[in-house]
Amino acid sequence: DAKTTQPTSMDCAEGRAANLPCNHSTISGNEYVYWYRQIHSQGPQYIIHGLKNNETNEMASLIITEDRKSSTLILPHATLRDTAVYYCIAGGTSYGKLTFGQGTILTVHP
Amino acid sequence: DTEVTQTPKHLVMGMTNKKSLKCEQHMGHRAMYWYKQKAKKPPELMFVYSYEKLSINESVPSRFSPECPNSSLLNLHLHALQPEDSALYLCASSQVDRNTGELFFGEGSRLTVL
Repeated sequence: DAKTTQPTSMDCAEGRAANLPCNHSTISGNEYVYWYRQIHSQGPQYIIHGLKNNETNEMASLIITEDRKSSTLILPHATLRDTAVYYCIAGGTSYGKLTFGQGTILTVHP
Repeated sequence: DTEVTQTPKHLVMGMTNKKSLKCEQHMGHRAMYWYKQKAKKPPELMFVYSYEKLSINESVPSRFSPECPNSSLLNLHLHALQPEDSALYLCASSQVDRNTGELFFGEGSRLTVL
């Protein structure tokens, strides 16, 4: 898996968009970008993934730069329940062999 | 049913004890995983099972012994553990046939070794 770099922590006001960046400059052509989050004392939760194109689902949007060296996870309207550690993973096609980095602690404030 | 169920939620054991962690899923997933997570650290992969066969062992010490008796169950047998093995043990499952990267995690079993 390619190494990823994320800010250690970020704050966001409730109701505002949370934009979480991730650098993965060594990502190879067949590696996907995955995002997971882990709320305190729970198991990680899959959010979204992408290869080249931007992706959107009911939880979030994923914007991947054209050179694929970085990406941004967008939570469009953050709530207090979105407070969690967010992990960006640049991984290959080997299922399940995901290498979690240190992640970003997102704190959503009222 | 999109749940991965892990039991027990909490376990305290001595270094001479033998215990087991259990994991169950009914999503028809044929890949199952054990991850270990120390406090304030990210999860680390331990084992991967595919179609009930061990496919990845991330150089885990033999005092941890995984078992996949059928496609729905995954066990982790623990013997002669050390205090530094205290951690949250996470089970996960996923489809095998297509790579979605979507792992479903349980809430974990928190292990304390005295």
